[in-house]
Amino acid sequence: DVKVTQSSRYLVKRTGEKVFLECVQDMDHENMFWYRQDPGLGLRLIYFSYDVKMKEKGDIPEGYSVSREKKERFSLILESASTNQTSMYLCASLGGSVNQPQHFGDGTRLSIL
Amino acid sequence: QQPVQSPQAVILREGEDAVINCSSSKALYSVHWYRQKHGEAPVFLMILLKGGEQKGHEKISASFNEKKQQSSLYLTASQLSYSGTYFCGTDSGGYQKVTFGTGTKLQVIP
Repeated sequence: DVKVTQSSRYLVKRTGEKVFLECVQDMDHENMFWYRQDPGLGLRLIYFSYDVKMKEKGDIPEGYSVSREKKERFSLILESASTNQTSMYLCASLGGSVNQPQHFGDGTRLSIL
Repeated sequence: QQPVQSPQAVILREGEDAVINCSSSKALYSVHWYRQKHGEAPVFLMILLKGGEQKGHEKISASFNEKKQQSSLYLTASQLSYSGTYFCGTDSGGYQKVTFGTGTKLQVIP
């Protein structure tokens, strides 16, 4: 079974802090994704990566950056956290073949005070 | 742009059927369906590729109308375990970039 592990289930940070959310997958998947989930807005794609050191903006990249130095790890960075970034963040990974499902982590509930 | 799901919420009694619709303004390469229970990660249900196929998964099946850029998820003889939020995701380019809808909250009651 694919395992996608997010480093924290709950995280509380202060406005202006630099925040790192970590995600690790154990299936050698090429593709990895970061989503945020808010009530009534569903899952919105922030960034995705299709290979090491490769990244593409999703639908809502503003205020975020990402890092993928190793294939198994994909980090989401909030350069200067703001209260409107309080949300549930979900990481997912996906193999390179067509018609493969995304595998999600359990999510990180981030609160910015 | 996110696909549009309807209805936003539905309450069913055990044994009843439901249909969840997903509509996109873009031409679609594939449609993905996931279910998420409260406090848990989304779980994969099925993927439909362009070609207008229909797939089944026990009592849950789905269709994909490529020309109309729509997909529908059919839940028959619903069970309590079907409760959760259902998301459709669409891929317009075949590059694995999936855009999810806002979700349909389904509650099955005894």
